Amino acid sequence: QKEVEQNSGPLSVPEGAIASLNCTYSDRGSQSFFWYRQYSGKSPELIMFIYSNGDKEDGRFTAQLNKASQYVSLLIRDSQPSDSATYLCGRGDSWGKLQFGAGTQVVVTP
Amino acid sequence: EAGVVQSPRYKIIEKKQPVAFWCNPISGHNTLYWYLQNLGQGPELLIRYENEEAVDDSQLPKDRFSAERLKGVDSTLKIQPAELGDSAVYLCASSGRTSGKYNEQFFGPGTRLTVL
Repeated sequence: QKEVEQNSGPLSVPEGAIASLNCTYSDRGSQSFFWYRQYSGKSPELIMFIYSNGDKEDGRFTAQLNKASQYVSLLIRDSQPSDSATYLCGRGDSWGKLQFGAGTQVVVTP
Repeated sequence: EAGVVQSPRYKIIEKKQPVAFWCNPISGHNTLYWYLQNLGQGPELLIRYENEEAVDDSQLPKDRFSAERLKGVDSTLKIQPAELGDSAVYLCASSGRTSGKYNEQFFGPGTRLTVL
């Protein structure tokens, strides 16, 4: 079992709709969780990180963490064509080591 | 503020040849990471430096890979000899001093290695 699991997609979302991405992790000792966006041929860039159970909102993005169920999700509201990318979910331990999932490809269709 | 700089951006070599990648982190960032990213996969950590000390190199294939971070700034990752399976993107990232919580890692543009 991989440490971090994501649906590879592609996830097709109509423009203006909500994109919902899910991620599960196996290590209950995980301290922090994060979402990176990676455009094709580019390097990952951080969208959000979350430490505590519940929701964290930043603009059109909302991260949700449920430690009891060991999952973290990302909602993208009012999806735009520029949101088309691969979204990497990851976990961090107390030493700062990060592990990424394989990523979910999102395609926003006009 | 300049981001993480990597060179070269692309490298094509024949198998069994040596290759080296260079990384200059964001100024003031003490922590430097080297990742390997295969197509369709997330980045996988190879080695992490705190200043000049390699604090996590458990995933570095030490028979052919080596890394150094002299003076705690720039870093070089070397492969010798390269194998076909080493074809991937090699990403360098850096982050500021940790406070026990996650500190954002900033990634460089990567070096795309093709081994023929």
